[in-house]
Amino acid sequence: EPEVTQTPSHQVTQMGQEVILRCVPISNHLYFYWYRQILGQKVEFLVSFYNNEISEKSEIFDDQFSVERPDGSNFTLKIRSTKLEDSAMYFCASLEAVFSGANVLTFGAGSRLTVL
Amino acid sequence: AQSVTQLDSQVPVFEEAPVELRCNYSSSVSVYLFWYVQYPNQGLQLLLKYLSGSTLVESINGFEAEFNKSQTSFHLRKPSVHISDTAEYFCAVSDNSGGSNYKLTFGKGTLLTVNP
Repeated sequence: EPEVTQTPSHQVTQMGQEVILRCVPISNHLYFYWYRQILGQKVEFLVSFYNNEISEKSEIFDDQFSVERPDGSNFTLKIRSTKLEDSAMYFCASLEAVFSGANVLTFGAGSRLTVL
Repeated sequence: AQSVTQLDSQVPVFEEAPVELRCNYSSSVSVYLFWYVQYPNQGLQLLLKYLSGSTLVESINGFEAEFNKSQTSFHLRKPSVHISDTAEYFCAVSDNSGGSNYKLTFGKGTLLTVNP
């Protein structure tokens, strides 16, 4: 079964450092998403990406965050200058967007980011 | 905008007992409803979904959920749980018109712990 793959599975970084989290969505999918889950809290939407541009972003997704699909397969989330509160599990998801209605997001296993 | 409330943060049960995990949602538009499961140290996996049609939906591992529009609920049930069902369960909702880029809004999750 096709899957969304994420790397790294765990990254530890110092506060103020740049971090790039990588995702390879399912190949025929058209919508891409990043979510995050701070330990013990709910899964929160960060950003959606369609047709090579951001289609929606939450208030969490400030200027420190950016997304990119540099080569048609990878989908990256960059945090420019990490803060302690960026420590979380980051999930990538993709969606085929079959317009008949079977719109189900497929999630990756997540990248755990620890900011010290 | 949508929101999801999962009334129980933790549900401990004994093996072979029945369980119900509660989920209520609010939305100003028609929705799709989902349950995702997160096993320890793994990503989010789709458990079951309601898109349209029969209000009772089932998963392959014995869980079922019933969409109740009047009560805006989508409770998850299983008549007899196994140790392997121990996981965090997330209820989620999306706008079924595609107007919100199919993004999911999650509840805070319910940790189901099945004890021998």
